[in-house]
Amino acid sequence: DTAVSQTPKYLVTQMGNDKSIKCEQNLGHDTMYWYKQDSKKFLKIMFSYNNKELIINETVPNRFSPKSPDKAHLNLHINSLELGDSAVYFCASSQVVAGGPHNEQFFGPGTRLTVL
Amino acid sequence: AQSVTQPDIHITVSEGASLELRCNYSYGATPYLFWYVQSPGQGLQLLLKYFSGDTLVQGIKGFEAEFKRSQSSFNLRKPSVHWSDAAEYFCAVNDYKLSFGAGTTVTVRA
Repeated sequence: DTAVSQTPKYLVTQMGNDKSIKCEQNLGHDTMYWYKQDSKKFLKIMFSYNNKELIINETVPNRFSPKSPDKAHLNLHINSLELGDSAVYFCASSQVVAGGPHNEQFFGPGTRLTVL
Repeated sequence: AQSVTQPDIHITVSEGASLELRCNYSYGATPYLFWYVQSPGQGLQLLLKYFSGDTLVQGIKGFEAEFKRSQSSFNLRKPSVHWSDAAEYFCAVNDYKLSFGAGTTVTVRA
């Protein structure tokens, strides 16, 4: 009964390929996120969806396209992979309370992407 | 814009000794602050959070943190460290998104 799950856990691919990472949460949360953790372990948000609507889109290349088919899923598709895309990608979810405190985010186990 | 600074990149502590990790934040309003831990090869787990009220916050695994508005700090402490506490620790501030510090690596020596 994993709260936030991601597949695959590891992804090794060649430059120029297209790949997807899937994320699912069973917490009933309305908001989901994608974070990138680089080789120095620095974490930075990429995207956020609230009720399937994109609400945060940081300065991420257009090659990255998130898709949220429903509240429980947020997938990340990456086109034309580059060496610099190698990182660990974390999915997270939270329940956002309007006008209330920003609740904690629950993180998935991460997907380690290696681009050769 | 909100930001978090963790001044210590790496801390080594002996098992059984106390641990304190520093976190300084920059935020205009009342900050929502979090400490997360990342064990090797794992995702992030929430240790504790501060929204308002009592400035001393208790978390899981015996951790606590103290919010000091005058110092813009939210330092994490544990009185007696166990070998399993070796991990990466992240402080974060949340507005509508989490902004993380660079992390502090904790090594525990026997």
